[in-house]
Amino acid sequence: KNQVEQSPQSLIILEGKNCTLQCNYTVSPFSNLRWYKQDTGRGPVSLTIMTFSENTKSNGRYTATLDADTKQSSLHITASQLSDSASYICVVSAEGGGSNYKLTFGKGTLLTVNP
Amino acid sequence: DAGVIQSPRHEVTEMGQEVTLRCKPISGHDYLFWYRQTMMRGLELLIYFNNNVPIDDSGMPEDRFSAKMPNASFSTLKIQPSEPRDSAVYFCASSLAGRGGEQYFGPGTRLTVT
Repeated sequence: KNQVEQSPQSLIILEGKNCTLQCNYTVSPFSNLRWYKQDTGRGPVSLTIMTFSENTKSNGRYTATLDADTKQSSLHITASQLSDSASYICVVSAEGGGSNYKLTFGKGTLLTVNP
Repeated sequence: DAGVIQSPRHEVTEMGQEVTLRCKPISGHDYLFWYRQTMMRGLELLIYFNNNVPIDDSGMPEDRFSAKMPNASFSTLKIQPSEPRDSAVYFCASSLAGRGGEQYFGPGTRLTVT
């Protein structure tokens, strides 16, 4: 069964600190992995998309890594800001008809950045 | 572009009533998705369309749920009759094939069934 597990479930950090969120998956055959940021009361917004051949991708202060061998991904946030407070969702896509729409979602990590 | 538009933003209804959620995808996008999000289950894909044709509805929970896409700029998700366990946030998203499949989500409709 395709699964995506995220850890930790929640995290509280101080503004300016770095943090790393984890994602382990058992989706097969793998197509791509995405990280989304979801602010409270809003829809998810894509941060990064990585395919099998990519092991690092950055988007500003967000850096995602992918180890396809161990089926793990991480999202590193540098110099956190209050606006980083949100839920971060890892989503893995399996190969299938339509290319990228057999999605398996993690339950997300709720990040709170305190001043 | 205005992004994905959903209406209403909030809906409160009584059990047994029909509920219709609406979505306008980003112009030019050829894929449209309906999701449901709850605290317990997270985000779940309900159904998706390609060029207005339903491709995979295996995520639709039961026959009380139906979705249509009569044209490229409009889709509806209908629940009839509604039940309290249908209470959730329903998101619509759209994407353009060939651009890495990035999906753009709407703001969601928060449905409460009492």
